[in-house]
Order: sequence, then C-alpha cells, then structure tokens
Amino acid sequence: VVLTQSPLSLPVTLGQPASISCRSSQSLVHSDGNTYLNWFQQRPGHSPRRLIYQVSNRDSGVPDRFSGSGSGTDFTLKISRVEAEDVGVYYCMQGTHWVTFGGGTKVEIK
Amino acid sequence: EMKLVESGGGLVQPGGSLRLSCEASGFTFSNMWMSWVRQAPETGLEWVANIKQDGSEQYYVDSVKGRFTISRDNAKNSLYLQMNSLRAEDTAVYYCARGGTLDAYDTWGQGTMVIVSS
Repeated sequence: VVLTQSPLSLPVTLGQPASISCRSSQSLVHSDGNTYLNWFQQRPGHSPRRLIYQVSNRDSGVPDRFSGSGSGTDFTLKISRVEAEDVGVYYCMQGTHWVTFGGGTKVEIK
Repeated sequence: EMKLVESGGGLVQPGGSLRLSCEASGFTFSNMWMSWVRQAPETGLEWVANIKQDGSEQYYVDSVKGRFTISRDNAKNSLYLQMNSLRAEDTAVYYCARGGTLDAYDTWGQGTMVIVSS
C-alpha cells in the first residue's frame, strides 16, 4: 500500500489554518470494519509523536486544533490555527495492510 | 508514564554487526506487539520489523530479511534488534515503538543512531 501525502511543504501564517492530504493506493477499511489511518508529528530533533488514530481520534494531550477526517482512500489532517510549536514534519501511516508511512509534509511558518 | 529507551547504536564498518536494545517501562510489555522503525538522514519513516507478544512471530521489511533479527525478553521488558551484514543504506536513527500494526506506535523511544561507514 502506497500513501501519497500532499503538499510536500506547507508554509503557513501563524493563526491560519493548515490542511494535509494523505491518499492511499488501496482502501484502508480493515476486515473488522475499522480504518487504521494514523497521523504523526515530528518536531525538529524529536521522535515522532502520534496525534490521531483511526482517522479522527485524538491521542491524549493533543490540542483540539488538530483534527483528522476522511474515509476509504482519502484522508486529511487539519490544524485549525497554526501555532509556532506546530512546526515540523507530519506523516500519515496505515496499519490496515501491514504498515506503511506517507512521505511526510513539512509545515513551516511563513 | 509509558517509556521506551533505546541503546546500542554507533559507528560500524560495512559488513559489520550491531545489537540494539530497547527497555520498556510504564506498561505491561508482555501484552504488546513491538516494532523497530528507522529514519535515514533527511528522509521519512520506514517500518523495519515487529514481533508478537510472546515472540512466536516476527516480520521484516524485505530489505533487511536474512540480515536482521528482532527478539524480546519479556522478563526484562526488553526488545532487541540484531543487525548483521550491515550496509551503508542501513544508516539511520532506529526507533523502538509500541505496537505492531493497526493502532500502532502510540509510544516511541528517543532513537539510537546507527552509522555504517568505512
């Protein structure tokens, strides 16, 4: 399964929204009915951190300005109002058909 | 607090070997699939291997099959990655992560750097 993220780079003004797309080469609906599409944030110099699991569920401690949506093969991560601490690379990951990661989207401040 | 701490990285010559370790705390290690994920310099994330709770099943990315071995010691809450016949393209930060597939990777270690170079 190939995950294609866009854009590769996303310059954003502080306080403005941001949106990242992740498209899968196959449906990510598992035989159990769930869709195992996760989103990760990797700040510069840090390990990845999971933000969202199963498309739209925020992990504990993740600010509510982060939201995930989508179904089947098309998914989106949205940041409602970008803050300086959101700078980093964002990855989608599917766990339905073993494990693959998207190529990453670099979020930077304009 | 769930925590993973990797160790064992370093500089090794092509063809050499290295053993990475990951010590877990803050959760019942023996109940969880565990994985190794790597990140080559300036690139994205790549799943390397994972192992079932009791160690009875292991899976690998094609590029490391036959060279890397994942194992675990549930009595020591520890995960390992034995890396043999190392190549330059194995140069990366190696992360230990909680989980196998599905809702994987809710917890990551700080990573350990492996450099394969002569």
